[in-house]
Amino acid sequence: EIVMTQSPATLSVSPGESATLSCRTSQEIVNNLAWYQHTPGQAPRLLIYHASTRATGVPDRFSGRGSGTDFTLTISSLQSEDFGIYYCQHYSRWPRAFGQGTKVE
Amino acid sequence: QVQLVESGGGLVLPGRSLRLSCSASGFIFNNYGMHWVRQAPGKGLEWVAVISYDGSVTNYIDSVNGRFTISRDNANNTVFLQMSSLRAEDTAVYYCAKDIHSYGYLYFDSWGQGVMVTVSS
Repeated sequence: EIVMTQSPATLSVSPGESATLSCRTSQEIVNNLAWYQHTPGQAPRLLIYHASTRATGVPDRFSGRGSGTDFTLTISSLQSEDFGIYYCQHYSRWPRAFGQGTKVE
Repeated sequence: QVQLVESGGGLVLPGRSLRLSCSASGFIFNNYGMHWVRQAPGKGLEWVAVISYDGSVTNYIDSVNGRFTISRDNANNTVFLQMSSLRAEDTAVYYCAKDIHSYGYLYFDSWGQGVMVTVSS
């Protein structure tokens, strides 16, 4: 089973600033990683897949990088709608797993 | 546009059963794998189960294997999660999610709003 570790747990940023979120996997997953944004009361939203490809409609201020076991999600020039919890998730093998989340506040 | 609407949640006694449904629209349902993902109160997301486009392949997280069964009705664009021998630790919001792959091998491009399941005496 692959363990996903996200850091930091909480990131306090102001609108207009940038934020960098980290995700580390316990085993090599190549680039089989997705990032989701989850705002309370709403459905989670796919942001990034294959570690660095933005999903349809996702603004280019969101960017993903990494391969192997270390990955990052960067949000440049944070907007008010970007606050929420961000999860990484691997799809390398079963069972699928999510990180514990990073809250951007 | 893609819509996924979960139903069937509620309060249930430990040891009892409950069946969740997820009604899908806006895409060709029988082309895609479907998942259930849950979020316990104050916790993160946890993948629960997957079913392939034709129902021939399923997979579960260990903690529900043997107690939960995922199935689908392609004629009615619905995926189900039959939950038996429920435990307090199954208390969570349950989301259904659409995979971009027919066997559910990849990532989730659409999610429902979720349905609450509370297991308590």
